[in-house]
Amino acid sequence: GAGVSQSPSNKVTEKGKDVELRCDPISGHTALYWYRQSLGQGLEFLIYFQGNSAPDKSGLPSDRFSAERTGGSVSTLTIQRTQQEDSAVYLCASSPLKGVGSPLHFGNGTRLTVT
Amino acid sequence: SQQGEEDPQALSIQEGENATMNCSYKTSINNLQWYRQNSGRGLVHLILIRSNEREKHSGRLRVTLDTSKKSSSLLITASRAADTASYFCATGGTGANNLFFGTGTRLTVIP
Repeated sequence: GAGVSQSPSNKVTEKGKDVELRCDPISGHTALYWYRQSLGQGLEFLIYFQGNSAPDKSGLPSDRFSAERTGGSVSTLTIQRTQQEDSAVYLCASSPLKGVGSPLHFGNGTRLTVT
Repeated sequence: SQQGEEDPQALSIQEGENATMNCSYKTSINNLQWYRQNSGRGLVHLILIRSNEREKHSGRLRVTLDTSKKSSSLLITASRAADTASYFCATGGTGANNLFFGTGTRLTVIP
């Protein structure tokens, strides 16, 4: 079946512009995660959605970052007034279960470059 | 930080040899997972070991967990060139909403 789909795969934007990154999770997966991966680094947790519960936003680095998940499915990560330090690969993952007791299924990420 | 740390950062071996990667973490965990990432791709789940388990096998993979030392190891036996990738450990705490990932081990298997 279809895996986690992210779009666009690459995004180049000018400093100060807003960007939207999209994630289509696996159908039926209730948990959705956003992570950020800088070059050669590990993954930095950003935000977690579980069903209709309030999202865990504890990893968002600043108020320029926000995310929504509509209808318990598609999620959009928005970065306002982008800065060069926002350049990274943004990874989305979904899981069928609540919490971290089951494997995460990752998309291939969106590579964001802020010039 | 709960983040795991992998050791070594990079490992280069000949095809057919075994590869061992280690992961240390700092807090109590519910489970520990290993993921693989090929260049330019997302992460792929390899194996999950729960805190009450000590060893787990999956094909050519063997994972051990020592909760007293807060460490885990991933052994890949009879390595192949296709095993070339970055390997990450990730830990999940009780009631946690997310996994904490380490910085990874870059494995290169030379044909």
